[in-house]
Amino acid sequence: KQEVTQIPAALSVPEGENLVLNCSFTDSAIYNLQWFRQDPGKGLTSLLLIQSSQREQTSGRLNASLDKSSGRSTLYIAASQPGDSATYLCAVNNAGNMLTFGGGTRLMVKP
Amino acid sequence: NAGVTQTPKFQVLKTGQSMTLQCAQDMNHEYMSWYRQDPGMGLRLIHYSVGAGITDQGEVPNGYNVSRSTTEDFPLRLLSAAPSQTSVYFCASSLAFGDWNEQFFGPGTRLTVL
Repeated sequence: KQEVTQIPAALSVPEGENLVLNCSFTDSAIYNLQWFRQDPGKGLTSLLLIQSSQREQTSGRLNASLDKSSGRSTLYIAASQPGDSATYLCAVNNAGNMLTFGGGTRLMVKP
Repeated sequence: NAGVTQTPKFQVLKTGQSMTLQCAQDMNHEYMSWYRQDPGMGLRLIHYSVGAGITDQGEVPNGYNVSRSTTEDFPLRLLSAAPSQTSVYFCASSLAFGDWNEQFFGPGTRLTVL
């Protein structure tokens, strides 16, 4: 059974720092991996989708990488801002569209 | 496009009551699914549908029923609510059942069962 782990569970950084969020998964036979953002009491907003054949995807200040063989993905956030404060979730797709989620990283960016 | 919409946003039920959580999408997506989110357990798949008339069970289907009569709607029914069903429920959709599709989530329904 696929297991997804996100480290750290919580992170607090000063504004302007570059930071890395980690996601690891136990079964490398995945189709794709998706990073989401969740604000308190809100739904999930898709940030980046990386297909299994890709090594990275970029959107603005966000860059996600994927290393299938080692079962790892990282989300890099450049020049963090207070508005980036949220919980970040990674989810792997290894059976059709059925996602297995990590527990999330709760990020606080202090002004 | 409104994307994925869910109603109600909040609901309180008593044990044994029934209710239907509504989910709709206006993106002509074939694939729809329901997840529940619980502290310490993350998001878990309840049921999914690959198209109108086709549904299947996910990881935690017990206590829930679904049907898919149209492409747009995918309601989730609780026939006899239990306190263990207290959770936040999210509906999601994607273009088709396949490995390459991005999934889009609704705003969620927060359900409390007393």
